[in-house]
Amino acid sequence: QTVVTQEPSLTVSPGGTVTLTCASSTGAVTSGSYPNWFQQKPGQTPRTMIYRTDNKHSWTPTRFSGSLLGGKAALTLSGAQPEDEAEYYCLLYYSNAWFFGGGTKLTVL
Amino acid sequence: QVQLVQSEAEVKRPGASAKVSCKASGYSFSSSGISWVRQAPGLGLEWVGWISVSEGRTNYGQNFQGRVTITTDTSTNTAYMELRSLRPDDTAVYYCARDWGYVWSDPWGQGTLVTVSS
Repeated sequence: QTVVTQEPSLTVSPGGTVTLTCASSTGAVTSGSYPNWFQQKPGQTPRTMIYRTDNKHSWTPTRFSGSLLGGKAALTLSGAQPEDEAEYYCLLYYSNAWFFGGGTKLTVL
Repeated sequence: QVQLVQSEAEVKRPGASAKVSCKASGYSFSSSGISWVRQAPGLGLEWVGWISVSEGRTNYGQNFQGRVTITTDTSTNTAYMELRSLRPDDTAVYYCARDWGYVWSDPWGQGTLVTVSS
């Protein structure tokens, strides 16, 4: 079974830049794993931020971007805002199944 | 606007089954897919399974194979997720979400808490 690994926690200063990564136990993450990224705030339903590696939904703030970086999927936040403090989950696709990462708790401080 | 409205919370005994519904509106339900995701209290997201509404084709997470069935009723634009042989560690909020062409989209359903307890 594929295991998807994210940083358990990261901290970024307001206005700063941070990159969250998403690694796969199967090897390098490629666009063929169709990475999706989600934001979840306490008590709320997850929100879809990035799809298919680097595509933003219409509601995704422009300060979020997705990419592939060093064999991993990556979510970069440039110009962090206090409201970006949340749990972030990546999602990868392998062999007709989706696999979530364990989540990264992002603190803006 | 797009909406996914789920059924109310359920309390089940171990060994029982739970069937959660997800009623879609505001988009072409028949030309889409629905994934189910669960989140145990204080833990992360776990993918349960997916259905192609038009084809009825399903994929299930390995942890749920043989215990879960996902179906749809296109006459009512509703998707269903039935989980059998419930255990206390199946206690979680179950969400439905649109998932088509490897693209997950908002909004998700509001979530349904399934509690398994004797």
